[in-house]
Amino acid sequence: NAGVTQTPKFQVLKTGQSMTLQCAQDMNHNSMYWYRQDPGMGLRLIYYSASEGTTDKGEVPNGYNVSRLNKREFSLRLESAAPSQTSVYFCASSERDNYGYTFGSGTRLTVV
Amino acid sequence: QKEVEQNSGPLSVPEGAIASLNCTYSDRGSQSFFWYRQYSGKSPELIMFIYSNGDKEDGRFTAQLNKASQYVSLLIRDSQPSDSATYLCAVAKAAGNKLTFGGGTRVLVKP
Repeated sequence: NAGVTQTPKFQVLKTGQSMTLQCAQDMNHNSMYWYRQDPGMGLRLIYYSASEGTTDKGEVPNGYNVSRLNKREFSLRLESAAPSQTSVYFCASSERDNYGYTFGSGTRLTVV
Repeated sequence: QKEVEQNSGPLSVPEGAIASLNCTYSDRGSQSFFWYRQYSGKSPELIMFIYSNGDKEDGRFTAQLNKASQYVSLLIRDSQPSDSATYLCAVAKAAGNKLTFGGGTRVLVKP
């Protein structure tokens, strides 16, 4: 009963490198989300996917891309990492509208 | 003005007392309201949700919603040291389920 699984848990990148954060849920949820959490800024929505095959921008999408590979998996890609993308990234899923989220354990990313 | 505002704290509460947390939101069309607890270095976990004006109780937690005044609060009764955490208020607008989070209130329960 894993819930939402994120990989990796920690990552250090050099400026300009690329990487993909992986997220998978086993709860048959339709909606999936990527947030970043920074001190003093709270959780901010990067991208979301209301259902398989659809993705939309959130509040802070610049520098990121996403792929909803299937109903279970929603990945976040940084094409050219910048120090401003140093953050903790959380993936979440939701069964449907007006339901709360289930969060993954997070990825702590440092860009040097 | 932030869409969802919370006092960052810390809110220091003696063990056994009631902790009272407040959250205000700016969008009158907001429909769903959530409280999450986040321990340091961990992910947020859902405590409660409320959709209608009034109070909703779940164990030691009570959520209160006043849409006319655009605020939602969380009461923690008989506070325990294990309640020491950051509490996040989140609001969903009418369309879709995207949550907007406040910055969180840090609560410290002292034995």
